[in-house]
Amino acid sequence: GDSVTQMEGPVTLSEEAFLTINCTYTATGYPSLFWYVQYPGEGLQLLLKATKADDKGSNKGFEATYRKETTSFHLEKGSVQVSDSAVYFCALRDTGNTGKLIFGQGTTLQVKP
Amino acid sequence: EAGVVQSPRYKIIEKKQPVAFWCNPISGHNTLYWYLQNLGQGPELLIRYENEEAVDDSQLPKDRFSAERLKGVDSTLKIQPAELGDSAVYLCASTPGQGSGELFFGEGSRLTVL
Repeated sequence: GDSVTQMEGPVTLSEEAFLTINCTYTATGYPSLFWYVQYPGEGLQLLLKATKADDKGSNKGFEATYRKETTSFHLEKGSVQVSDSAVYFCALRDTGNTGKLIFGQGTTLQVKP
Repeated sequence: EAGVVQSPRYKIIEKKQPVAFWCNPISGHNTLYWYLQNLGQGPELLIRYENEEAVDDSQLPKDRFSAERLKGVDSTLKIQPAELGDSAVYLCASTPGQGSGELFFGEGSRLTVL
């Protein structure tokens, strides 16, 4: 079945450092891909998404490009802030088009001043 | 606009006791999901509703878990009896329709079974 694999955390960076969180997926078709973020004490919220190959999703300085050839959707940000400290989840929408999201295990990001 | 509301936020019970979680989705959202999130893991779908109909409950352990969504709005997830392994966060999410792909999550209900 469809699945998502993320790099293990925690990832610890200094403020203004470059961030990459790797995400790869396995799917029989061409799923839509998402990054969700969970800030401390809050619910998950959508960060960005891409619906087809070569699409780039972006929001709040974060970007991710849908790479069909490598089945990847890596999250990047050029300069992280302390306020970016959170848990980041990569997800795909199952190719059966039921709306079901399949999540990776999450990657914790800690940004230090 | 109010978000997805869940209660209780925290619940501690003894094993073999029953527990129930409540979810009020965003107004107008026809699709409602219950997800289970174990510590250090991503959410896993338990059940999905389209209005009042459970259209995907294949991952719901039906021997002890039950859910309902009366009138296609609020939903309740029940566990009876609870086991130690049920300790987790139970997330509710809603979406206007299955086409958008964006789910709106509540803050979750954290269950601890002693």
